[in-house]
Amino acid sequence: DAKTTQPTSMDCAEGRAANLPCNHSTISGNEYVYWYRQIHSQGPQYIIHGLKNNETNEMASLIITEDRKSSTLILPHATLRDTAVYYCIVRPLNRDDKIIFGKGTRLHILP
Amino acid sequence: GAVVSQHPSWVICKSGTSVKIECRSLDFQATTMFWYRQFPKQSLMLMATSNEGSKATYEQGVEKDKFLINHASLTLSTLTVTSAHPEDSSFYICSASGGSRNEQFFGPGTRLTVL
Repeated sequence: DAKTTQPTSMDCAEGRAANLPCNHSTISGNEYVYWYRQIHSQGPQYIIHGLKNNETNEMASLIITEDRKSSTLILPHATLRDTAVYYCIVRPLNRDDKIIFGKGTRLHILP
Repeated sequence: GAVVSQHPSWVICKSGTSVKIECRSLDFQATTMFWYRQFPKQSLMLMATSNEGSKATYEQGVEKDKFLINHASLTLSTLTVTSAHPEDSSFYICSASGGSRNEQFFGPGTRLTVL
């Protein structure tokens, strides 16, 4: 079973920041927070991951609360191409561990 | 990022036939590969985990005799859907881990339609 809770869907205006929340209240000390997204009819794409510190890369920023029970993925300037289903996943850092996907958040970027 | 390919990207077959889907890691050696299935408007469901040179580990409820997985080399895993039926129509996605980065990389998916 997925260990995360995400809103089913969200809308965001093009050019604005998209903030996608995720609750993971049962996260273990050795588990990281990962974000993937899936554009329609494509395979999932890795976005970012973090343990407890905030992380930023060319795609997004990840803000993890101090108690690690929730996080927010931020797409700073959303474009129409960011329309996708976004999955928040908690798992150990071991790349060989299986990924269990929840239902994710369907993000619609509005023109 | 690392590249994972799948072939074919889509396939249509008649009921009762078998279909083979290939998953290749193009620029790294994949020690572990995963196979997922995704029905319309649903999330990805993990079917099995395969390690090079050993038998695949199937998730509960996935028939190993129906979904044959072979991981014969560090760059290739195959999923064969045997005696396919219309209910096997789905989007099949593989992922691979290995190389120098601590991530899994996903293929583009294969859409199977069984008539």
